[in-house]
Amino acid sequence: DQQVKQNSPSLSVQEGRISILNCDYTNSMFDYFLWYKKYPAEGPTFLISISSIKDKNEDGRFTVFLNKSAKHLSLHIVPSQPGDSAVYFCAASASGNNRKLIWGLGTSLAVNP
Amino acid sequence: EAGVVQSPRYKIIEKKQPVAFWCNPISGHNTLYWYLQNLGQGPELLIRYENEEAVDDSQLPKDRFSAERLKGVDSTLKIQPAELGDSAVYLCASSLVVSGMYQETQYFGPGTRLLVL
Repeated sequence: DQQVKQNSPSLSVQEGRISILNCDYTNSMFDYFLWYKKYPAEGPTFLISISSIKDKNEDGRFTVFLNKSAKHLSLHIVPSQPGDSAVYFCAASASGNNRKLIWGLGTSLAVNP
Repeated sequence: EAGVVQSPRYKIIEKKQPVAFWCNPISGHNTLYWYLQNLGQGPELLIRYENEEAVDDSQLPKDRFSAERLKGVDSTLKIQPAELGDSAVYLCASSLVVSGMYQETQYFGPGTRLLVL
């Protein structure tokens, strides 16, 4: 059973536009959420995180929104750049679960010039 | 600051042969993880160390996989003997866990891509 779901395997956007990557989760005990970016032949790179006590966290062009009632979070990239083309993973952890990260399957983002 | 270092980056072996991967975490990080990642999947935790202690190895196939983290710094992951299904990317990650802090960020190395023929 997939506790963290990224229902869109791929997404394509034009350079300069907004990219919105979505993530849903089922475990209400999750209290920390992270987004990682992965280029081919490299390990995942940490992008941004959010605690369950917040509903928004912003870092430059990247903003993560958390809707706890809907068990949904999203990553917004504005403006999108060709270098943002990568696979984006959503991950979540619960403080009572030994902080084990539970991962989604990833969304492949293509930003077209 | 140097990131997580892993070697080798690529390894091709024949089935039934042994193989070992090495990881050097970010300086000062007390927690180290080994993950396995297959194409189209998220990372799957194999083992987690807090300092020298393996605190979660429930997903490690102990009949053929072993790991150690001597002195609480570097770590090695070994497979003996390797099987065709072990072909994957093996990722090492590290984090700093402070007592009472329940949220942590893991930082990953580039991974070792293993191909078993």
